Amino acid sequence: AQSVSQHNHHVILSEAASLELGCNYSYGGTVNLFWYVQYPGQHLQLLLKYFSGDPLVKGIKGFEAEFIKSKFSFNLRKPSVQWSDTAEYFCAVNEGTGGKLIFGQGTTLQVKP
Amino acid sequence: NAGVTQTPKFRILKIGQSMTLQCAQDMNHNYMYWYRQDPGMGLKLIYYSVGAGITDKGEVPNGYNVSRSTTEDFPLRLELAAPSQTSVYFCASTQTSTGNTIYFGEGSWLTVV
Repeated sequence: AQSVSQHNHHVILSEAASLELGCNYSYGGTVNLFWYVQYPGQHLQLLLKYFSGDPLVKGIKGFEAEFIKSKFSFNLRKPSVQWSDTAEYFCAVNEGTGGKLIFGQGTTLQVKP
Repeated sequence: NAGVTQTPKFRILKIGQSMTLQCAQDMNHNYMYWYRQDPGMGLKLIYYSVGAGITDKGEVPNGYNVSRSTTEDFPLRLELAAPSQTSVYFCASTQTSTGNTIYFGEGSWLTVV
């Protein structure tokens, strides 16, 4: 069955530190990949998405992610985090033709000023 | 711009009661989803639909039912509420599965006592 795994459950960083959040999925076919962010008290917002083309995807607020097909991974990165990046981050995978959209368990990022 | 509308926002149910969470979207989206979000567990897919008249089970369908008689509406029914169904429920929709942005409702907080 299709599944998504986020390895880091809780990450604490200081401002200006670099961020990388891991995401792996288990599905052998064509996939669409997403990263969502949920700020405290708010609903999910799309950070970035990949469905074809350049495997390095740039999103909003300086975030980027790289799709590595051979590793079934779609890690999220940001060179320098800010206090305002404190939030929960979700990776999601959608089968290319099926419509089923599965989320990882989420990573809580805490950025200390 | 209504987007995805969920009602009610908050509800307290007694064990064994039934209720329906309503979800409507006005974007003519084909795909609609119901998720539940529990602390530390991320979003779990309950049911999804790829179009009117078509529904399918997600990761955690037990205790729930759905219907999709129109493109706009995708209600989620709890027949015999149990404490394990205490959660935050999110409805979402998207046009296709190929990388379009997914729009989420504001969430429905359900407590079963």
